[in-house]
Amino acid sequence: EAGVAQSPRYKIIEKRQSVAFWCNPISGHATLYWYQQILGQGPKLLIQFQNNGVVDDSQLPKDRFSAERLKGVDSTLKIQPAKLEDSAVYLCASVGPGKNIQYFGAGTRLSVL
Amino acid sequence: SQQGEEDPQALSIQEGENATMNCSYKTSINNLQWYRQNSGRGLVHLILIRSNEREKHSGRLRVTLDTSKKSSSLLITASRAADTASYFCATDAGRIQGAQKLVFGQGTRLTINP
Repeated sequence: EAGVAQSPRYKIIEKRQSVAFWCNPISGHATLYWYQQILGQGPKLLIQFQNNGVVDDSQLPKDRFSAERLKGVDSTLKIQPAKLEDSAVYLCASVGPGKNIQYFGAGTRLSVL
Repeated sequence: SQQGEEDPQALSIQEGENATMNCSYKTSINNLQWYRQNSGRGLVHLILIRSNEREKHSGRLRVTLDTSKKSSSLLITASRAADTASYFCATDAGRIQGAQKLVFGQGTRLTINP
């Protein structure tokens, strides 16, 4: 069974530029999560999808962050414009229907200069 | 916001020794999970303990849960160099539209010295 795929693995941009991350969850996993993990901290939930609908985006900075999951499968997370404090690892995770265990991708490490 | 607080933030022990990490949380939970994260990688699920369970074992892992104190501990016995990683507790406080939401702690960084 293929795991959660994320790309790119690393991205370096200058502040005020835009960036996009991509995630392909495990096949059949209806729930998809995007987390932000700042160095030395635990993952913080940004947005949660159930199929192609948003379940929880209460901690997503909507003035600069956006995410979509148009066909209920893969998802993109965008930051525009980026700030220095957005430097972090962005993790994608998915869960099977009715299950409790989240499966994580390797993450995208973003550096904003 | 982070619900879980983990203690200690960092732990360094000799190979073969036991490692104990603690997690405290604030609200009622359905279950509590522990995840491991190797440097530069995603998180990997280790073990889940439900709110009506007090102790659970998986290989060299032992997890306890005290809902009255809102705390959990993870014990790794006979540690190995490969156990070097960050360990996170995560609380499942309920579902939204049937979908689980986990809140992660700050993590404990464990170093096993050969």
